[in-house]
Amino acid sequence: KNEVEQSPQNLTAQEGEFITINCSYSVGISALHWLQQHPGGGIVSLFMLSSGKKKHGRLIATINIQEKHSSLHITASHPRDSAVYICAVDSGGGADGLTFGKGTHLIIQP
Amino acid sequence: DAGITQSPRHKVTETGTPVTLRCHQTENHRYMYWYRQDPGHGLRLIHYSYGVKDTDKGEVSDGYSVSRSKTEDFLLTLESATSSQTSVYFCAISGGSGRNYEQYFGPGTRLTVT
Repeated sequence: KNEVEQSPQNLTAQEGEFITINCSYSVGISALHWLQQHPGGGIVSLFMLSSGKKKHGRLIATINIQEKHSSLHITASHPRDSAVYICAVDSGGGADGLTFGKGTHLIIQP
Repeated sequence: DAGITQSPRHKVTETGTPVTLRCHQTENHRYMYWYRQDPGHGLRLIHYSYGVKDTDKGEVSDGYSVSRSKTEDFLLTLESATSSQTSVYFCAISGGSGRNYEQYFGPGTRLTVT
């Protein structure tokens, strides 16, 4: 069973700061997902990656397969980025469901 | 956003009663999943389906059954609800065009078992 650890569990920062959320896992994977969940519950997929780096707007996700580690970065953070960010791994080749970290609760203060 | 709906969105039921949650998709995605989300545990996989009538168990499947008779519908049944099944339940889909395994989540169902 893949163990997925996220750090930090909670993070409070000021608007404009550069944010980094880390994710590590214990067993080799076929892909890693970053998800966002706002208060009220909806879950949105931000990234799915299996190697290298992806960028979407102010969000950047990187993965190091050899070190079993991924990071999610937010540049020029804004209060609307306040949410829970969840790392999840696919260990089964795409169809078997995900294993999730417990999430990082991010608060960006104006 | 992917077309995924869940019904009901909220339900309160008594211990021992059967409960069925429905997930409906309009995206023709092959794979469908049921997860539950609990404080301190995060999201965990209950059951998943890789096609019509093809389902398999996830990490926390005890006390749950599923059925998929059509591509668009995936039902989760609690045969006899218990208080430990109080949770928020999310359906997800994947497997759209090509080998795209990005997962798209439904809005969730908040279930309270009293």
